[in-house]
Amino acid sequence: EAGVAQSPRYKIIEKRQSVAFWCNPISGHATLYWYQQILGQGPKLLIQFQNNGVVDDSQLPKDRFSAERLKGVDSTLKIQPAKLEDSAVYLCASSLRSPTKAFFGQGTRLTVV
Amino acid sequence: AQTVTQSQPEMSVQEAETVTLSCTYDTSESDYYLFWYKQPPSRQMILVIRQEAYKQQNATENRFSVNFQKAAKSFSLKISDSQLGDAAMYFCAYRSPGNTPLVFGKGTRLSVIA
Repeated sequence: EAGVAQSPRYKIIEKRQSVAFWCNPISGHATLYWYQQILGQGPKLLIQFQNNGVVDDSQLPKDRFSAERLKGVDSTLKIQPAKLEDSAVYLCASSLRSPTKAFFGQGTRLTVV
Repeated sequence: AQTVTQSQPEMSVQEAETVTLSCTYDTSESDYYLFWYKQPPSRQMILVIRQEAYKQQNATENRFSVNFQKAAKSFSLKISDSQLGDAAMYFCAYRSPGNTPLVFGKGTRLSVIA
């Protein structure tokens, strides 16, 4: 079974630039999560999708972050404009509708300079 | 809101020895799930073990076992016969019933000494 795919693995940008991350969840997984993991901390939920609808985006900084999941499969997370404090690993995870187990991708490490 | 606390930023263990990682959580829910995830340098979160709160029996997976104390809201992970490949960040996580996200602790970095 293919796992959760994320790209790119690494990205370095200057502050005020924009950046986009891509996630392809496991086939058939209706739920998709984006987490932000700042160095030295545990992952924090940014947004949760159920199919192509948003379930929870209460922690998403909507003035600069946006996410979409067109057709309920792949998802993109965008930051515009980036700030220094956005430097983190961005993890994508997926799960079946009402599971107890989430599968994670390898994440994208973003460095904002 | 639920919170998860891991009070040990770093731990070390000799190869083949046993180590216990601590985790406490705060919740008003009676039904929930608890997890331990391993994150090696590759950054991918790997599920180590999970526990359903309604089950009194502690979960075990090969060399990994938990001590789940529901009344004390404690969920520790014991790694027996530690191996060099066990070296990683370990995160304790909480999940409410239904289609809800994981709430993570800050993690414990485990080093295994040969």
